[in-house]
Amino acid sequence: EVQLVQSGAEVKKPGESLKISCKGSEYSFTSYWIGWVRQMPGKGLEWMGIIYPGDSDTRYSPSFQGQVTISADKSFSTAYLQWSSLKASDTAMYYCARLGGSEARHFDYWGQGTLVTVSS
Amino acid sequence: QTVVTQEPSFSVSPGGTVTLTCGLSSGSVSTTYYPSWYQQTPGQAPRTLIYSTNTRSSGVPDRFSGSILGNKAALTITGAQADDESAYYCVLYMGSGISMFGGGTKLTVL
Repeated sequence: EVQLVQSGAEVKKPGESLKISCKGSEYSFTSYWIGWVRQMPGKGLEWMGIIYPGDSDTRYSPSFQGQVTISADKSFSTAYLQWSSLKASDTAMYYCARLGGSEARHFDYWGQGTLVTVSS
Repeated sequence: QTVVTQEPSFSVSPGGTVTLTCGLSSGSVSTTYYPSWYQQTPGQAPRTLIYSTNTRSSGVPDRFSGSILGNKAALTITGAQADDESAYYCVLYMGSGISMFGGGTKLTVL
């Protein structure tokens, strides 16, 4: 069965950098878009951006463009979400999810989430 | 900037039917927005319910259905059960590979 396994919880200080990961298995990793979704404490889901690991084509929501970087390493079947300088407002749960279907317009499989806490 | 709108909260009686909607702050939702619906219970990752307007994801019971009602996408739950008490989110495809979540609807079954 398709699985997306995310890296563990992180506690960081403002200004630090961070890269979290999402490893896909039991499917052709390079053939499906992978996306990232943010959920701030007590809030709703926010669509951040997606990447096609086959060619690293990446799309960002305007709200997140320039704030994060999405990448993928097809050799390791892993997608990444990274920050160069964290802020307290980056504290959130982050989910990766695969876009399914021929149109690739919906998420079909989800990771378990990675909790990122940014605090001085 | 266009916003995807959902009712903040809704309640339904056990065994009852409820329809949650997903609209746009400007314009009408159609099938070309590929509406999809997700269920999330506290502390859990989201679960995909419906995609491409009305296609149920694998394993989703047929009491969940999707449609376009008027100028909005809709998720209807027929015969609501206690464990349907969750937050429900819609996603609309906005073009150029970008999609957007609605603010979510917290459904109470009581």
